[in-house]
Amino acid sequence: GEDVEQSLFLSVREGDSSVINCTYTDSSSTYLYWYKQEPGAGLQLLTYIFSNMDMKQDQRLTVLLNKKDKHLSLRIADTQTGDSAIYFCAESRNQAGTALIFGKGTTLSVSS
Amino acid sequence: DAMVIQNPRYQVTQFGKPVTLSCSQTLNHNVMYWYQQKSSQAPKLLFHYYDKDFNNEADTPDNFQSRRPNTSFCFLDIRSPGLGDAAMYLCATSSITGEGEAFFGQGTRLTVV
Repeated sequence: GEDVEQSLFLSVREGDSSVINCTYTDSSSTYLYWYKQEPGAGLQLLTYIFSNMDMKQDQRLTVLLNKKDKHLSLRIADTQTGDSAIYFCAESRNQAGTALIFGKGTTLSVSS
Repeated sequence: DAMVIQNPRYQVTQFGKPVTLSCSQTLNHNVMYWYQQKSSQAPKLLFHYYDKDFNNEADTPDNFQSRRPNTSFCFLDIRSPGLGDAAMYLCATSSITGEGEAFFGQGTRLTVV
């Protein structure tokens, strides 16, 4: 099975909040990350959270971490059409500087 | 300015003909990675360099090799591309002094004909 799991699709209306969920498996991951990928492009780091934190807020983005359940979520407030992309959750396999393990990605579609 | 640069953006190669993809970085990061991403799938780590130390993933086919002649450059060599190797290849870098975040290039889309 997948190390990191995400739902594949999410559709929202412009101005609504989007919540993208992820479950991971490696409890020793020091950091957990959210990346954004637009069509035909590489991955852009959106935000990350240290494993001893429960929440991190960065402008329109809020990351929630439930370490007990190994559940990570990304909330995008006031979702815009420019937020339409694929969002990947990733865990660090060992310590910082080694390898990231990605989920399959959640395709976010924002309609106006 | 682009910090991780991959060349070319699009590469077409013939079945069985060796091909090399290039990656360069201006971040002076000591770790460089190659990921393979097929359509609608997660990026899959092929291997990475920690300075000059090469780390191969257990399930990376022997057909895939890598070279890192210096800190700035890293190459992905596919010795005999098959149709199943058509994918987006992503290069990334990270620093062990950071929070482990990886910085990605724009990717090279490989087509095998």
